[in-house]
Amino acid sequence: AQTVTQSQPEMSVQEAETVTLSCTYDTSESDYYLFWYKQPPSRQMILVIRQEAYKQQNATENRFSVNFQKAAKSFSLKISDSQLGDAAMYFCAYRGNAGNMLTFGGGTRLMVKP
Amino acid sequence: EPEVTQTPSHQVTQMGQEVILRCVPISNHLYFYWYRQILGQKVEFLVSFYNNEISEKSEIFDDQFSVERPDGSNFTLKIRSTKLEDSAMYFCASSELADYNEQFFGPGTRLTVL
Repeated sequence: AQTVTQSQPEMSVQEAETVTLSCTYDTSESDYYLFWYKQPPSRQMILVIRQEAYKQQNATENRFSVNFQKAAKSFSLKISDSQLGDAAMYFCAYRGNAGNMLTFGGGTRLMVKP
Repeated sequence: EPEVTQTPSHQVTQMGQEVILRCVPISNHLYFYWYRQILGQKVEFLVSFYNNEISEKSEIFDDQFSVERPDGSNFTLKIRSTKLEDSAMYFCASSELADYNEQFFGPGTRLTVL
């Protein structure tokens, strides 16, 4: 079974600074998808960024980018120019090639200091 | 922007009672999901539903659970005889297609079993 691990339960960053959230996963599959979801306080989870394992190029969405290391099974999220609105719980998730279920990590609570 | 909605936001029930959690997925989506998060634990997949039948389910989704799309808009999760350990946040999600299509999540229903 696949597992996803987020080793940082909490992180904090100064506004306008850069922060990196870690995620590692365990799988025997060669083709899969990885996601970062953001859950603001009392709001629903929204997708921040996704990566297909077959793509070598790291995904980027505005201030959000990933560092995907397939051999190391690592998928970190970098948030540049952090804003107060980035404060949220961030979940790393894995989806295998067969089926649609998402396997989540335990989450990292990001605090942004003004 | 279309959103997944869930009702109620909080449900309190006595052990052994039946509960129905309701979700309205995004209207043009074809795949529907239920996840749950026990307090302090990871978000866990329960079931996915497509074309009026279960397409995938986890070990958690045993005989006490059932899902239904009773009409063109609602998607429900029924727990027949609730147990204390069913207390959790239950998230509904939907996606337009399968593959790596984004799953859009609802805000969740907090179920408390007394």
